Amino acid sequence: GQQLNQSPQSMFIQEGEDVSMNCTSSSIFNTWLWYKQDPGEGPVLLIALYKAGELTSNGRLTAQFGITRKDSFLNISASIPSDVGIYFCAGVLYGNKLVFGAGTILRVKS
Amino acid sequence: NAGVMQNPRHLVRRRGQEARLRCSPMKGHSHVYWYRQLPEEGLKFMVYLQKENIIDESGMPKERFSAEFPKEGPSILRIQQVVRGDSAAYFCASSPQNLAGGAHEQYFGPGTRLTVT
Repeated sequence: GQQLNQSPQSMFIQEGEDVSMNCTSSSIFNTWLWYKQDPGEGPVLLIALYKAGELTSNGRLTAQFGITRKDSFLNISASIPSDVGIYFCAGVLYGNKLVFGAGTILRVKS
Repeated sequence: NAGVMQNPRHLVRRRGQEARLRCSPMKGHSHVYWYRQLPEEGLKFMVYLQKENIIDESGMPKERFSAEFPKEGPSILRIQQVVRGDSAAYFCASSPQNLAGGAHEQYFGPGTRLTVT
């Protein structure tokens, strides 16, 4: 089945640093979504991308939909302690199914 | 403006018992999706339902698992004769319409953590 390769698997960064993570796939997706999940909670939608090449921001977060439609990246600028959590990319398949990456665990050192 | 509601948040069942997980979508949403998450993994699609219809159940095991979304009331994910391997977090998501148009996203509930002893 379709797979999303998300990297890095985990990051341990200094507060105030910028963070970058990405997702790649062998399949084309028409929509990319980025979610954040805190321990014991459900994923919370951060950014949705609908067009190849699209660059979208949400506060300190910026995400891009790759031009080939097979990849996406998420940047977090000036990280703060509450950014800790697991970040998932997801591609929309067949108009309804979401295919998730394995997640990037973000740990921030204050 | 309540989000997606799921209950119970935690459920413990002994092997062989039945587990019933409930999901109430966001107000105005008529599409419900169930996902399963094992520790340290991403979410895996199980089933997609609209009111009284199963649209796509390609991710759901053929045996012991069933889902419904009746005309009235919440969506139910039912697992019969649970086994230890069913222990996982089960998440429900809802959207206002089919995503084919690319205009709407899925919003997740807090999940039900099922533990089979």
